[in-house]
Amino acid sequence: GQNIDQPTEMTATEGAIVQINCTYQTSGFNGLFWYQQHAGEAPTFLSYNVLDGLEEKGRFSSFLSRSKGYSYLLLKELQMKDSASYLCAVRDRYTDKLIFGTGTRLQVFP
Amino acid sequence: KAGVTQTPRYLIKTRGQQVTLSCSPISGHRSVSWYQQTPGQGLQFLFEYFSETQRNKGNFPGRFSGRQFSNSRSEMNVSTLELGDSALYLCASSPGTDQDTDTQYFGPGTRLTVL
Repeated sequence: GQNIDQPTEMTATEGAIVQINCTYQTSGFNGLFWYQQHAGEAPTFLSYNVLDGLEEKGRFSSFLSRSKGYSYLLLKELQMKDSASYLCAVRDRYTDKLIFGTGTRLQVFP
Repeated sequence: KAGVTQTPRYLIKTRGQQVTLSCSPISGHRSVSWYQQTPGQGLQFLFEYFSETQRNKGNFPGRFSGRQFSNSRSEMNVSTLELGDSALYLCASSPGTDQDTDTQYFGPGTRLTVL
């Protein structure tokens, strides 16, 4: 079966760095996605990892360790607009389905 | 390019009724996936259509059905609505040609409330 775990909520201060963790268990792994979702809006694509290591995109970076079933999303120089839910999703290699975690709600305070 | 569009944005129905939701994918995208999002369960996969054929299916009852047209637009139908069907229904499109690396792009969703 598949299982994805993320913290439910996190808080951080403007200008700081925050790391959102995601652990997963799947019968077959074929890529991990991070999405950002502001309240009342559609999820928007942030990053994709399929090989171990760090992918950097501006203020956002995503890391993957396939042997540990672990990923994190790193947000630097936090801004108020980064307050949102962050969804971790894993693609199952046998079904090609994207399995989503329940998301981490991040609140950034001034 | 225009993004994924969904209509209607909001719907209120009563138990026992049926509802049809519509999704227009990004131009050139041939795959459309549907998800149900609720506060407790997160995003749950309903089904995926590619070239007018259902390519994948989640674990939802038969009351939930869908179809895709030749222009890649997709519709989702829920019959005999139940209170528990109240949710945000999201549609996502992707090129669909390389399932390993396909990235899904989401529409704004349809907020369905069942009374």
